[in-house]
Amino acid sequence: NAGVTQTPKFQVLKTGQSMTLQCAQDMNHNSMYWYRQDPGMGLRLIYYSASEGTTDKGEVPNGYNVSRLNKREFSLRLESAAPSQTSVYFCASIRQGGNQPQHFGDGTRLSIL
Amino acid sequence: AQSVAQPEDQVNVAEGNPLTVKCTYSVSGNPYLFWYVQYPNRGLQFLLKYITGDNLVKGSYGFEAEFNKSQTSFHLKKPSALVSDSALYFCAVRDMSPGGSYIPTFGRGTSLIVHP
Repeated sequence: NAGVTQTPKFQVLKTGQSMTLQCAQDMNHNSMYWYRQDPGMGLRLIYYSASEGTTDKGEVPNGYNVSRLNKREFSLRLESAAPSQTSVYFCASIRQGGNQPQHFGDGTRLSIL
Repeated sequence: AQSVAQPEDQVNVAEGNPLTVKCTYSVSGNPYLFWYVQYPNRGLQFLLKYITGDNLVKGSYGFEAEFNKSQTSFHLKKPSALVSDSALYFCAVRDMSPGGSYIPTFGRGTSLIVHP
């Protein structure tokens, strides 16, 4: 039982390049989330998917797009990377129900030069 | 709107001493409160939660948290700190009242450093 798996673990991009961060969970969870973590800023929500087939913007969606490919997979795409998007990106999932904790992947460390 | 504040960026404590990591919250309805821990180069791991019931919640690794509705606080505590407890700790809240946001809001995190 792997939990939440994120790929890649590390990536270096040049400004203007595009890439997709992958996330998959094997816990049959309904909701999935993408966060970015920056020093002193805590976790900021980029996008979330409350259930398969739906996606919604979070606190900092500009410059990103998402796809909920199926119940297991939720990808985050940077169409034209900018240095301000250098961050650590975390995917999380949760079984539907407010009293459940989120399960997090180990993150993707992204540097944009 | 819901919010969480962790007023201390860093907490330093000697091994064997009690520790407290502070969290205050604001929601319009009933809160669901969570504590997570993050070790270097890892994702967040769930420690404990308050949903309803007893105000003192016990969690993993000997941690506990006290819910105080009047002070809107949910401080994380441990009677005797270990060096291995050194990590980044996050408090999170979900407003579960009708019309509330079901999306968790996280505090900025508190770095706990336990000195040998």
